[in-house]
Amino acid sequence: GAVVSQHPSRVICKSGTSVKIECRSLDFQATTMFWYRQFPKQSLMLMATSNEGSKATYEQGVEKDKFLINHASLTLSTLTVTSAHPEDSSFYICSATPPDRLETQYFGPGTRLLVL
Amino acid sequence: GENVEQHPSTLSVQEGDSAVIKCTYSDSASNYFPWYKQELGKRPQLIIDIRSNVGEKKDQRIAVTLNKTAKHFSLHITETQPEDSAVYFCAASYSGGSNYKLTFGKGTLLTVNP
Repeated sequence: GAVVSQHPSRVICKSGTSVKIECRSLDFQATTMFWYRQFPKQSLMLMATSNEGSKATYEQGVEKDKFLINHASLTLSTLTVTSAHPEDSSFYICSATPPDRLETQYFGPGTRLLVL
Repeated sequence: GENVEQHPSTLSVQEGDSAVIKCTYSDSASNYFPWYKQELGKRPQLIIDIRSNVGEKKDQRIAVTLNKTAKHFSLHITETQPEDSAVYFCAASYSGGSNYKLTFGKGTLLTVNP
């Protein structure tokens, strides 16, 4: 149980384009999903907290107009990196919390984004 | 906000030896402490967690201890095996309203030499 998927697993795009990443909880309904960014050999940095049906809460320093988050259903959250630039290249990971264990986060497999 | 310090950043042990990773946290309101294992290019996987009302928890070769007074917690891996090699992250969280936000340590690269 508590399986989280992400799509795509990797994406290469040109500078200036937008990229959408999907995060799905496959066997549970997640009222809360989190989006992280991880640079090579570094820890996970929380970007935003996403609650179904409401606006995401962004961490300090994360541009909400650049990283658009939509949590339209209890099993799907999307992160759109708008006007991507090479410095946005990173490993983006989502997590979801099951309703019976709100403190526990289960992670998706991550999406490796390379912006040329 | 919460700050989590993790040590050591790298740890190399011989197969069969024990490995210990230590973390400290700053916010006394934190009440949930998970440990994640991350292999290269893969997702972090929850390996064990502990809540603030418990001092120790064990699951086969893995154990976690928590000292709330000193605000530190540790991961203990006994009888290490090469497949234990990975990056281990500790984290701390508390309920900010209805959401539990995790603050991660910087990670420990564990290498188990055969």
